[in-house]
Amino acid sequence: SYVLTQPPSVSVAPGQTARITCGGDNIVTRSVNWYQQKPGQAPVLIIYYDGDRPSGISDRISASNSGNTATLTIHSVEAGDEADYYCQVWEGDFKSWVFGGGTKVAVL
Amino acid sequence: EVRLLQSGGDSVQPGESLRLSCEASGFRFVGVGMHWVRQAPGRGLEWVSSLTGSGLTTSYADSVKGRFIVSRDNSKNTLYLQMNNLRAEDTALYYCAKDAGNMGSYLEYWGRGTQVTVSS
Repeated sequence: SYVLTQPPSVSVAPGQTARITCGGDNIVTRSVNWYQQKPGQAPVLIIYYDGDRPSGISDRISASNSGNTATLTIHSVEAGDEADYYCQVWEGDFKSWVFGGGTKVAVL
Repeated sequence: EVRLLQSGGDSVQPGESLRLSCEASGFRFVGVGMHWVRQAPGRGLEWVSSLTGSGLTTSYADSVKGRFIVSRDNSKNTLYLQMNNLRAEDTALYYCAKDAGNMGSYLEYWGRGTQVTVSS
């Protein structure tokens, strides 16, 4: 089955840019979604279809998808961005969702 | 406002059964795909099961196939997950989530989760 690989953690100073990668075989051919999960809360959709933002999601958040890597970028990181971030794709042949292992973003 | 109200979680012994419910409101339930995702303590998100808007197509993770059954009652706007022969490794917070389409678009809304604990 398809595998998505994320770094376990990313640390970033306030005001800097955080980049979270999601690796998958030829992932560019798939639509990647991203979710943010803060402690004790349900996941929240922050990016869909590779780079679209739902209404209400900060424009400091963007994403791209190329080759074997999708990337979530958070500009001007704030303390409130501390959370776990998950990438996700749909495996149509198996009618299943595949999640990356998640990346914990720590704001220094 | 979209709401997914979850219930049914409990603490049970291995081999027992539970049925989780997810009552939807704020959108047209019929025709929308629904999903179950779980999260074991301290772990990441794991997809469990999916169901198309019609209820005619279902899918399951290998870890639950043959033990869990997903269903929906469109007249009650409710999604269910019947969990049989529960194992310790099924211990997790179970989320229901609404697909943006019939199935496989993205999970645009999530419930708050219901806790399932399997322990002897």
